[in-house]
Amino acid sequence: QQPVQSPQAVILREGEDAVINCSSSKALYSVHWYRQKHGEAPVFLMILLKGGEQKGHEKISASFNEKKQQSSLYLTASQLSYSGTYFCGTASLVQGAQKLVFGQGTRLTINP
Amino acid sequence: DGGITQSPKYLFRKEGQNVTLSCEQNLNHDAMYWYRQDPGQGLRLIYYSQIVNDFQKGDIAEGYSVSREKKESFPLTVTSAQKNPTAFYLCASSDTGSIRETQYFGPGTRLLVL
Repeated sequence: QQPVQSPQAVILREGEDAVINCSSSKALYSVHWYRQKHGEAPVFLMILLKGGEQKGHEKISASFNEKKQQSSLYLTASQLSYSGTYFCGTASLVQGAQKLVFGQGTRLTINP
Repeated sequence: DGGITQSPKYLFRKEGQNVTLSCEQNLNHDAMYWYRQDPGQGLRLIYYSQIVNDFQKGDIAEGYSVSREKKESFPLTVTSAQKNPTAFYLCASSDTGSIRETQYFGPGTRLLVL
């Protein structure tokens, strides 16, 4: 089942902070965050694993609440380059292979 | 440089025609994936493959077919049975397919129907 992202869109001024949330109705084993610029491929930002391990971007942080089945992505002191659509993907194992189900995306616009 | 290549960048399909999208990776990754993205939407999984000569259907496999004859290649065929094929198609790969692994995406192919 597709995770739900909120908000759907947000507009900020450069230097402001943003939080993007991702909620799932299923138990989460890992959450993957990507950013996509218009017409381009998604770029990996961060992966959060059950048990608290994180791998990813130096300037972006995220949290993973296993009990609430939620993850949040924190963008601090936003830069113009942060503009794009952010997707979370929730991972499960199906027949030994990773299967990611992506949320519908959060469009972030950073203005000067 | 290691990476994932997809070709062509744009592809036009006539009604009733099958078309094949190419995906090649030189990352020595075991697992490969195909996704479809419609405007303003998230990515939906079409097919995925954990090893050579084996693949599984994703959430929207109807009207599509794949093959995995070589580790580095995972072509996707959009058949005439797919009635609404216009979309952005993305290929991805990951090292082992483990739940801890990152998926890396190719640049995508935009398919348009004439």
